[in-house]
Amino acid sequence: SQQGEEDPQALSIQEGENATMNCSYKTSINNLQWYRQNSGRGLVHLILIRSNEREKHSGRLRVTLDTSKKSSSLLITASRAADTASYFCATDTGTASKLTFGTGTRLQVTL
Amino acid sequence: DTAVSQTPKYLVTQMGNDKSIKCEQNLGHDTMYWYKQDSKKFLKIMFSYNNKELIINETVPNRFSPKSPDKAHLNLHINSLELGDSAVYFCASSRDTSGGADEQFFGPGTRLTVL
Repeated sequence: SQQGEEDPQALSIQEGENATMNCSYKTSINNLQWYRQNSGRGLVHLILIRSNEREKHSGRLRVTLDTSKKSSSLLITASRAADTASYFCATDTGTASKLTFGTGTRLQVTL
Repeated sequence: DTAVSQTPKYLVTQMGNDKSIKCEQNLGHDTMYWYKQDSKKFLKIMFSYNNKELIINETVPNRFSPKSPDKAHLNLHINSLELGDSAVYFCASSRDTSGGADEQFFGPGTRLTVL
């Protein structure tokens, strides 16, 4: 069964605004990762947060993890048109290297 | 310098045919994967190899057979193609980690269309 559910499914904002995407999962995890997928391309890794971490930053990205609520959020600040893409969370339980992906959020950033 | 490459990028074929997709990574990673992404963008792992050994084999029909001739290559052969096999197939690689999944590097994908 699908491990992660993302919310919203689609998000449309204007350039310069912040975008927040949420991911919920069902079982205990080892790590949680966020990936971006531009249309017609492969996925690109954005950030990895471990289960014992609560927040992580990378450039304009801020990821939080709440293991008690089994949820994570990805915040993109000062969005740009180039941020238009689908964003996926992915979790692993520490078994092998298996990642289970969420359903994704389609972000549209307009000028 | 493409880190993870796949060929072909597009594959259009008739039902019942057999086809292969090739994947190569030049990152020196020990672990490689095949994923299937359906029309709703749902991405699901199919197989994973670590140093040429199969470590993940999800509930995939046995018409799908991965082959890893060396740790830099992981090919996917599909027999008796069906309409439902139409999807985008992604190859990926990562370092071998004993502590769980690490960052994965994805190829550009192969869009398979079965007519």
